[in-house]
This record gives sequence, C-alpha cells and structure tokens, in this order.
Amino acid sequence: DTGVSQNPRHKITKRGQNVTFRCDPISEHNRLYWYRQTLGQGPEFLTYFQNEAQLEKSRLLSDRFSAERPKGSFSTLEIQRTEQGDSAMYLCASSQLNYGYTFGSGTRLTVV
Amino acid sequence: ELKVEQNPLFLSMQEGKNYTIYCNYSTTSDRLYWYRQDPGKSLESLFVLLSNGAVKQEGRLMASLDTKARLSTLHITAAVHDLSATYFCAGTTQGGSEKLVFGKGMKLTVNP
Repeated sequence: DTGVSQNPRHKITKRGQNVTFRCDPISEHNRLYWYRQTLGQGPEFLTYFQNEAQLEKSRLLSDRFSAERPKGSFSTLEIQRTEQGDSAMYLCASSQLNYGYTFGSGTRLTVV
Repeated sequence: ELKVEQNPLFLSMQEGKNYTIYCNYSTTSDRLYWYRQDPGKSLESLFVLLSNGAVKQEGRLMASLDTKARLSTLHITAAVHDLSATYFCAGTTQGGSEKLVFGKGMKLTVNP
C-alpha cells in the first residue's frame, strides 16, 4: 500500500465549471476526511466518512460541494459552478480508529 | 468547539540556535498532533501525543503535552536549514468524527 493517493495533483478551471477530485485512501482505513487549505492557513475540515456513510459536514461545505464514498473505498469531491474563492489545496486523509491520520499529496485547484 | 492557537506564527532563526514554539487548545482534546508542511506539499506527520506529560523526540525536534494547561510545545535544538518549513499542531474533537482541528501554522525559516 503506497499511502493516500489523490488525483489530479493540479486543476485549473474556469469560473462556473464543475470539477471532481478523487481520493484513494489506505485500504484498511475506514475513516476518510476532506480538508481545504488556503494560502497561509491551516487545513479546515470539510467532511468525514466512516466506510460509505457521510457522517459529518462542515458549514464550509456549501450546497455546491458534494462528496461521496461508494462502497467505502475511494471518495470523490465535486464542486459545481466553481468560484474564485474555491481556489485552494484540497487534502484527503484516512485513518483507522486510534491510529494516526495519513494525508494525501492534495489537489491544488485554481479557478480563473 | 475546539480551537487551536499557535505562536509565534513566523519565526526566523539562525542555524545552531534553540527555540520553543507553543500550541494552545481551548477544550479537551484526545490527542495532539504535530505536522510539517513544505511549500506546495502535503502534511508530514511528526508526532502524536496521547496523554498528559507525553514527550516525544525525533532528531532535533522534541514535542511535549500538558493536558491540564491545554498546551503543547515543540522544541527545536540546534536548528539546521533543513528544518525550514511550516509546522502545524492539531487537536482532535472528542467522539464522532474525531476530525483534526488545526492551528494556523508557524512558518520557520532557519538562516545559515
């Protein structure tokens, strides 16, 4: 297992377009998290899955954002009608109860 | 609601010097994490502190946790240029998602 994988690494999109990011967690990890990090800030929690169930969503997650984790494996984060304020690094992390969190390399989104 | 504060937020120091950085958190946190982030990169786990009085050391970095004071410290000994990075501390919310709540990070620059 090579850790948490995120694709794409970089995405440039025009304002108003939809984008989708993918996260492949460590296979034994049942917990998956999405965070957003803007320049000069710490990562902010977006949403959490335990297996396939989305159990918590941040107030930051507007209705333009949706996340899924079908079959409790990989997860996708979709942003509809992107805005310039969505430009950020999107980080995925996975964990198993009582173990540490492993972060992926992130997807850097630039909305132009 | 858990809040995490770090200070200082920026630190410029010379090689060979020692320094301690601080992480305060507002409510009980099960665990306290320290991460390192290089520019444009993801988060690298440094330490997980599980209980009051916990101390962990790795190379020139040593982290400690005082749960009564809700304080963690990261001590740098004889800094070298390779330690230049941004350092984040994060606590976990109790129960539920156990999501990480990050501080704003401390940008460290070690000058020759």
